[in-house]
Amino acid sequence: DIQMTQSPSSLSASVGDRVTITCRASQGISNYLAWFQQKPGKAPKSLIYAASNLQSGVPSKFSGSGSGTDFTLTISNLQPEDFATYYCQQYNSYPLSFGGGTKVQIK
Amino acid sequence: EVQLLESGGGLVQPGGSLRLSCAASGFTFSSYSMSWVRQAPGKGLEWVSSISSGGDFRYYADSVKGRFTISRDNSMHTVILQLNSLRAEDTAVYFCAKTVPTTRASAIDYWGQGTLVTVSS
Repeated sequence: DIQMTQSPSSLSASVGDRVTITCRASQGISNYLAWFQQKPGKAPKSLIYAASNLQSGVPSKFSGSGSGTDFTLTISNLQPEDFATYYCQQYNSYPLSFGGGTKVQIK
Repeated sequence: EVQLLESGGGLVQPGGSLRLSCAASGFTFSSYSMSWVRQAPGKGLEWVSSISSGGDFRYYADSVKGRFTISRDNSMHTVILQLNSLRAEDTAVYFCAKTVPTTRASAIDYWGQGTLVTVSS
């Protein structure tokens, strides 16, 4: 089974900042990597698929990169609505697996 | 507009059963695989199960294998998760998700709002 490790588990940032979240797979997954955003009490929202492709309607302030085992999610010009928890997930093989999440908080 | 509406959650005693349903609309249901993902209170996301578009391939997390069964009715645009032999650790919000087939496993693109399952005596 593939383990997904996210870092950091939480971070504090200010409005207008640029933040980067890292996700590492325990074995190579090519680019079969997705990113999700979840706000408290809400369902997750899909942001990125295939490591770097934005889902329809997702603003370009979100960007993803990486291949193999190491991936990043970058959020530019952080706004109040971006404070949330972010998860990566591999879909290279079953069982599907998620990272532990990164909570982005207001500094 | 893609819509996924879960139902069937509730309070159940350990060892009991529940049947979760997810009613889908806004896309050609029979062309897409579907998945269930759960989230225990205060915890992260955990994939539970997936089913192929025609229902012929089914996948389960080890934590639920042998206890949960996923199925679908393409004529009714519904995916079902039957939960048996429930344990306290199955307490979670269960999300239904639409998934897009790839050359590997399926990628989630839309999520339902979730239904809460509480296992307690």
